[in-house]
Amino acid sequence: RKEVEQDPGPFNVPEGATVAFNCTYSNSASQSFFWYRQDCRKEPKLLMSVYSSGNEDGRFTAQLNRASQYISLLIRDSKLSDSATYLCVVNSIGGYNKLIFGAGTRLAVHP
Amino acid sequence: DADVTQTPRNRITKTGKRIMLECSQTKGHDRMYWYRQDPGLGLQLIYYSFDVKDINKGEISDGYSVSRQAQAKFSLSLESAIPNQTALYFCATSDKERNYGYTFGSGTRLTVV
Repeated sequence: RKEVEQDPGPFNVPEGATVAFNCTYSNSASQSFFWYRQDCRKEPKLLMSVYSSGNEDGRFTAQLNRASQYISLLIRDSKLSDSATYLCVVNSIGGYNKLIFGAGTRLAVHP
Repeated sequence: DADVTQTPRNRITKTGKRIMLECSQTKGHDRMYWYRQDPGLGLQLIYYSFDVKDINKGEISDGYSVSRQAQAKFSLSLESAIPNQTALYFCATSDKERNYGYTFGSGTRLTVV
């Protein structure tokens, strides 16, 4: 089983739609959770951290369910510029800041 | 200037050649990492270093070696390149004190023919 699993997509949505991505992780001892965004052939960039109580940053909302080992990302009012691959990221065991990346979920927003 | 700089940006090399990818950072971070990314796969950790005297193997270290020449520099070498090492390589840094994730370089696209 992969340590971090995501639906690869693609998710094809019209502008203005709400879209949600899910991610599961295998290590119950993980402490840090992130969503990264990666544009085609570019480096991943931190989109947002994910906190236990859930957190929001503009149109983006992240949720964490530790009991189910499940992370989600909700994007409201999708823009063309949101088209990218979204990587779910979890820290590895041992407490070190060594991150495990999911393979990503591709989002395509169309006019 | 970018916080994390990788050179070269693109490289085509022949099977059996030795090649070095370089990474330098101006963020003052202690921790540095090398990842490779293949189409449809997640980033895979090759090596990581938590300070100048610390080198650790990642998931896929076979065929690779690294050197941490200074806090700001972390190089990845392919001793004898093979075609299945064709991939996009990323260097990343992080701060040991604050768990705010990684800062990545722009990547090196390596093709082994």
